[in-house]
Amino acid sequence: EIVLTQSPGTLSLSPGERATLSCRASQSVGSSYLAWYQHKPGQAPRLLIHAASTRAAGIPDRFSGSGSGTDFTLTIDRLEPEDFAVYYCQQYVRSPGLTFGGGTKVEIK
Amino acid sequence: EVQLVQSGAEVKKPGATVKMSCKVFGYTFNAFNIHWVRQAPGKGPEWMGLIDPDDGETMYSDRFQGRVTITADTSAGTVYMELSSLRSDDTAMYYCIKPLTLLGYELHKWGQGTFVTVSS
Repeated sequence: EIVLTQSPGTLSLSPGERATLSCRASQSVGSSYLAWYQHKPGQAPRLLIHAASTRAAGIPDRFSGSGSGTDFTLTIDRLEPEDFAVYYCQQYVRSPGLTFGGGTKVEIK
Repeated sequence: EVQLVQSGAEVKKPGATVKMSCKVFGYTFNAFNIHWVRQAPGKGPEWMGLIDPDDGETMYSDRFQGRVTITADTSAGTVYMELSSLRSDDTAMYYCIKPLTLLGYELHKWGQGTFVTVSS
C-alpha cells in the first residue's frame, strides 16, 4: 500500500496569506495519479485538483497543484475565509488500494 | 444536475450487518463506476471499494475484503453497500461517489453521506 504523509498537520494563517501544503508518497505515483480534496465540517469532501495539477471544474484559480513522483504540493494563494478547512491528498496509481493522506488543517491565525 | 442521494443514518450493534443505498440522478447510471469511501470522526477518508454498474464487477480494498459487498440495481438506478461483522471502529460517515471520468478514481461527485453508529 502506498502511504501518503501530509505536512504540516495544522497551518495557522491569516486571510490573504499563501498556504503551502505538502504530500509525500512512500512510492512514486507518477505525475497523473494524485488528487487534492477540501473538507469542511458537515459537508462531503470536494475535489479540488486531479492529475496533480488540473483544477476541477468550478475551482478558483487561487488553488494550484504541482509535483510528481513522490512529492506534491497544494498552494492556495490569497486565502479567503471559505478556504479554512481540512485538505487531503489521494493517490490512485495503485488499485485496489487507493489511499488518502492524514490531512492538513488550515486554520485562521 | 448530477446527484447521489444516500439512505438515512443507521444505529447497529457490534456483530450486525448494515446495508445502505445510493440512488443516482442526472446521468446514465451504468456509464460510471460508483466508489464507496468512509470517514471516521477525526480521521482521514478511507476507500472501501467500487462497482461498475454496467456489469456488476466489483473491486474491494484489501482492508475490507470479506466484510463488504457492493451491488447495483440498474432498474432502480441504485447502488448498495453492505458491511458485515460491524465493530465500534466502523462508526463513520459512509459516502458513495461518482468519479470524474468513466473508469477514473478522481472522486468527483459525492453523496450526502450515511452515518453509521456501532454501539452496544
